[in-house]
Amino acid sequence: RKEVEQDPGPFNVPEGATVAFNCTYSNSASQSFFWYRQDCRKEPKLLMSVYSSGNEDGRFTAQLNRASQYISLLIRDSKLSDSATYLCVVNREATDSWGKLQFGAGTQVVVTP
Amino acid sequence: NAGVTQTPKFQVLKTGQSMTLQCAQDMNHNSMYWYRQDPGMGLRLIYYSASEGTTDKGEVPNGYNVSRLNKREFSLRLESAAPSQTSVYFCASRGRRDQPQHFGDGTRLSIL
Repeated sequence: RKEVEQDPGPFNVPEGATVAFNCTYSNSASQSFFWYRQDCRKEPKLLMSVYSSGNEDGRFTAQLNRASQYISLLIRDSKLSDSATYLCVVNREATDSWGKLQFGAGTQVVVTP
Repeated sequence: NAGVTQTPKFQVLKTGQSMTLQCAQDMNHNSMYWYRQDPGMGLRLIYYSASEGTTDKGEVPNGYNVSRLNKREFSLRLESAAPSQTSVYFCASRGRRDQPQHFGDGTRLSIL
């Protein structure tokens, strides 16, 4: 089992709709979590950091469920520019070295007019 | 604000040639990382440096070497390039353990 798993999608979303997807992680000692967006073959860009139960930034909401070991990302009022791959990153800072950020393979979101 | 700067942005090599990918960050971060990303795949860690003067292997280190020249700079070297090393290479840095990584905009490397 991979340490971080994401539904690869694609999630096809009409413009203006809401989309949500999850990321599951296997290590219960994980301490902090991040969502990045990545456009085709470009660098990952930080979207949101999650240290406690969740975080909200405009149309984006991340929620952490430690009991079930998943983190979700919800996008409201989807824009065409939201089309991207969303990477989930899990940080096992308390138990591991600096090198061991775990990246999911990403969830592709396609917003259609 | 430069953040993480990678050079070159594009490079074409012939099999067997060598080259060094450069990375510099101006955020005073302790740790730096090199990843590769192949089509349809996620990021794979090649090497990282937790602090100046230290380097460690990641998931896919074979065929690569690294140098942490100082706190700002972390280079990746291909001694004898192979077609299997055709990829997009990303450098990243991070300040504290609980903070996210910041990425450079990548080097697109093709080996013929």
